[in-house]
Amino acid sequence: DVKVTQSSRYLVKRTGEKVFLECVQDMDHENMFWYRQDPGLGLRLIYFSYDVKMKEKGDIPEGYSVSREKKERFSLILESASTNQTSMYLCASRGNLDIQYFGAGTRLSVL
Amino acid sequence: AQSVTQLDSHVSVSEGTPVLLRCNYSSSYSPSLFWYVQHPNKGLQLLLKYTSAATLVKGINGFEAEFKKSETSFHLTKPSAHMSDAAEYFCVVISFEGGFKTIFGAGTRLFVKA
Repeated sequence: DVKVTQSSRYLVKRTGEKVFLECVQDMDHENMFWYRQDPGLGLRLIYFSYDVKMKEKGDIPEGYSVSREKKERFSLILESASTNQTSMYLCASRGNLDIQYFGAGTRLSVL
Repeated sequence: AQSVTQLDSHVSVSEGTPVLLRCNYSSSYSPSLFWYVQHPNKGLQLLLKYTSAATLVKGINGFEAEFKKSETSFHLTKPSAHMSDAAEYFCVVISFEGGFKTIFGAGTRLFVKA
């Protein structure tokens, strides 16, 4: 069965902290994605990666960076967390077909 | 530019009655269209996908969607709602303009009353 695992379900951080969100997939997919989900806005793409060490900005990359050192792992980094980054973060992966497989999400609160 | 609009932010039905979740898209090309479902505190799961092989697409859990090019619609239906259908549903279009891009609708939250 396809599996995308996000390391934390809930996180509470303080303003200015550096935050790491981790995502691992076991399907050998080339493509991985980070989205944030906010009520009424649907999913918005932050960054995606189409190969190891390759990354592309999505629609809302400001305040975020990513790392993909290994094919199965895609990390989202908040360099200096702010309250407007309080959100649900969803990781997804995609293989050769155009179906995305999602993790369960990380709900981040920045106080 | 390609876009997708979900016409209702919330839909409420009684258990056993039909479900209709509406989605309109705009596309310069023959679109790839999907419906995903998100249950509380879970990630998104694929319900069904339009592949152009047939305009009526059957998905999991009794859901189906009909692609209507003349109306640029891809509405999701189910004949009889079940309590377990309560979730948020996303209509998604794949854009090929300027590169491969996935565009999500804002979501429709389905409430099912006993």
